[in-house]
Amino acid sequence: GENVEQHPSTLSVQEGDSAVIKCTYSDSASNYFPWYKQELGKRPQLIIDIRSNVGEKKDQRIAVTLNKTAKHFSLHITETQPEDSAVYFCAAVGNTGRRALTFGSGTRLQVQP
Amino acid sequence: NAGVTQTPKFQVLKTGQSMTLQCAQDMNHEYMSWYRQDPGMGLRLIHYSVGAGITDQGEVPNGYNVSRSTTEDFPLRLLSAAPSQTSVYFCASIGTGIYGYTFGSGTRLTVV
Repeated sequence: GENVEQHPSTLSVQEGDSAVIKCTYSDSASNYFPWYKQELGKRPQLIIDIRSNVGEKKDQRIAVTLNKTAKHFSLHITETQPEDSAVYFCAAVGNTGRRALTFGSGTRLQVQP
Repeated sequence: NAGVTQTPKFQVLKTGQSMTLQCAQDMNHEYMSWYRQDPGMGLRLIHYSVGAGITDQGEVPNGYNVSRSTTEDFPLRLLSAAPSQTSVYFCASIGTGIYGYTFGSGTRLTVV
């Protein structure tokens, strides 16, 4: 089955700096890669996603890049703000009828004011 | 449109007790799934369903049962609770042609 690895596990940046979180996946048939933000005690919230036919997608301060050949994708947050502090999860969905998410282990992002 | 509704929000069980975690969605989504989240780990798939009457096992199915008698409901049953099942449980759904999962607010379960 699919395996998703996520790095780093913790990331501390100064407000205004950029943050990058990287994930690799094992199943070359995976075709959808969402990123979730989870605040303490809350449900995961989808913040951006990318499909396998696209190399990059941007939404204001957040961008995701996908390298299908290398089987890795990354989340980029620019001009970080204290409210960006949370745990971020990457995930992958295989190209099967199951449509189940396989999650990375998460990155705790701390933005220092 | 309430989205995905999970009940209860919190539950404490004794070892060996059984219970059912409820999940309902009002978006007519075909796909529903249950995940558990343990500290320091991502969410892991327990069971999933691709439509009414169809269920299948995920990554960590042992100790759990599911059924899908209607499109709206997807309950998760703990047969005989064990401390290892202490976790936060999330239900999620997704519709055909849609890619972003909608998550419920979670059930925090403690087994003592």
